Amino acid sequence: AQSVTQLGSHVSVSEGALVLLRCNYSSSVPPYLFWYVQYPNQGLQLLLKYTTGATLVKGINGFEAEFKKSETSFHLTKPSAHMSDAAEYFCAVHNSGGYNKLIFGAGTRLAVHP
Amino acid sequence: GAGVSQSPSNKVTEKGKDVELRCDPISGHTALYWYRQSLGQGLEFLIYFQGNSAPDKSGLPSDRFSAERTGGSVSTLTIQRTQQEDSAVYLCASRYTGEETQYFGPGTRLLVL
Repeated sequence: AQSVTQLGSHVSVSEGALVLLRCNYSSSVPPYLFWYVQYPNQGLQLLLKYTTGATLVKGINGFEAEFKKSETSFHLTKPSAHMSDAAEYFCAVHNSGGYNKLIFGAGTRLAVHP
Repeated sequence: GAGVSQSPSNKVTEKGKDVELRCDPISGHTALYWYRQSLGQGLEFLIYFQGNSAPDKSGLPSDRFSAERTGGSVSTLTIQRTQQEDSAVYLCASRYTGEETQYFGPGTRLLVL
C-alpha cells in the first residue's frame, strides 16, 4: 500500500525566507509524485510533478522539489517566500502506470508573515 | 480552455435528505475522479471512471453513496439519506488519457444540518 507523510501541519516563514515543506512517501513500485496547492475556497492546483527522468523538478511560482529515492522523500522548496504563497500544500502519490487514485498527505498550511 | 466545473458550489441540506453533486470534466478527458475533503479525514478518494470501463468504487464510504457518468462526460455523485458526517468539500478531477496530471474543480461544499 502507498502512503504519504507530510511533516508539519503548519509552517510559518518570513517574507523572503526559504520555504521548505517536507514529504515522505511509501510505495512498493516506482512512484509518481505530485505537489498541489490549495488557496482558500478553491480547488487544487498542480505545482509540480515527478514521473521519471530528472529528479529535480521545477514548477510554477518558483517552487521546485527533488525526488530522493534513497530517502523516499519529495520535499518542496522555494528560495524566497512571497505573501501570495500563503496556502495549503498537499503532497500526493500514485503508482506509475496505474493512473489510479491519488493518495494525499494530510497537508501543510503555509503562513507567510511580513 | 475551460477547466473542471462543479455545481452547486455550496449546498446546505437537512439530515436524511438526498443530494446530487455535478461535475463537468475538461472536454476530451476520459478519466474522472471524485474525492472528499473533510477536517477529520483529509483528502480521500471516492470513485474513478475511465472511459467505458467499470468504475473503481473502492473509496465509497457506504452504500448511501453512488455515482454515475453519462456519455463519458458529466458525472453525478449522489448521497442518499445524508448524515452530518457527510459534511465536507467534494472535489472532482479529470485527466487526459496518457497524461498523469489530474485537474481539479473548485469543489462543492456540502453542509448537512
